[in-house]
Amino acid sequence: KAGVTQTPRYLIKTRGQQVTLSCSPISGHRSVSWYQQTPGQGLQFLFEYFSETQRNKGNFPGRFSGRQFSNSRSEMNVSTLELGDSALYLCASSLQGARTEAFFGQGTRLTVV
Amino acid sequence: AQSVTQPDIHITVSEGASLELRCNYSYGATPYLFWYVQSPGQGLQLLLKYFSGDTLVQGIKGFEAEFKRSQSSFNLRKPSVHWSDAAEYFCAVVPIQGAQKLVFGQGTRLTINP
Repeated sequence: KAGVTQTPRYLIKTRGQQVTLSCSPISGHRSVSWYQQTPGQGLQFLFEYFSETQRNKGNFPGRFSGRQFSNSRSEMNVSTLELGDSALYLCASSLQGARTEAFFGQGTRLTVV
Repeated sequence: AQSVTQPDIHITVSEGASLELRCNYSYGATPYLFWYVQSPGQGLQLLLKYFSGDTLVQGIKGFEAEFKRSQSSFNLRKPSVHWSDAAEYFCAVVPIQGAQKLVFGQGTRLTINP
């Protein structure tokens, strides 16, 4: 069974640009969550999508958004990038939500210059 | 406030020595409990989880964890560490009510001395 796939693995963007990250969950998993990991703030929850609907949202500005497609693949978008958005963005997939055990992708390393 | 605490930021042990990583949580009701490991530049791999039942949980790679309700703790242990265990370890919880999101501790970086 294929694991969680995140693309791209690495990105370098300039301040003010926007970026889209992609996540393909494990087959059969309907929940996709996104987390931001930085040295200063650690791992923080961004949002969760379940059956194409945003079910939960963390405390991030509106520049961070996401969506989920009918095949459960998910994308997150960050607009008007700031230097502080540099981070490892991790996607987690699970059957019904984090209580049913989450599996993580390898992440996308975003660097904003 | 609800939180997860890993008191040790960095731990160094010798190869072959035993290991215990501490985790405490502060929640009204016992949440779902997890330990994840992260190697440099990689994602998170689930080591073990506790939902209910036996308080001693066995995981992958020879790890185990013990849930102690009276201490609100879920400590991770391994009898004998290997050089390949060097990584960062995260304790995480999912509250039993409300948003299904993982709340992570700050992590413990494990270094293994040869």
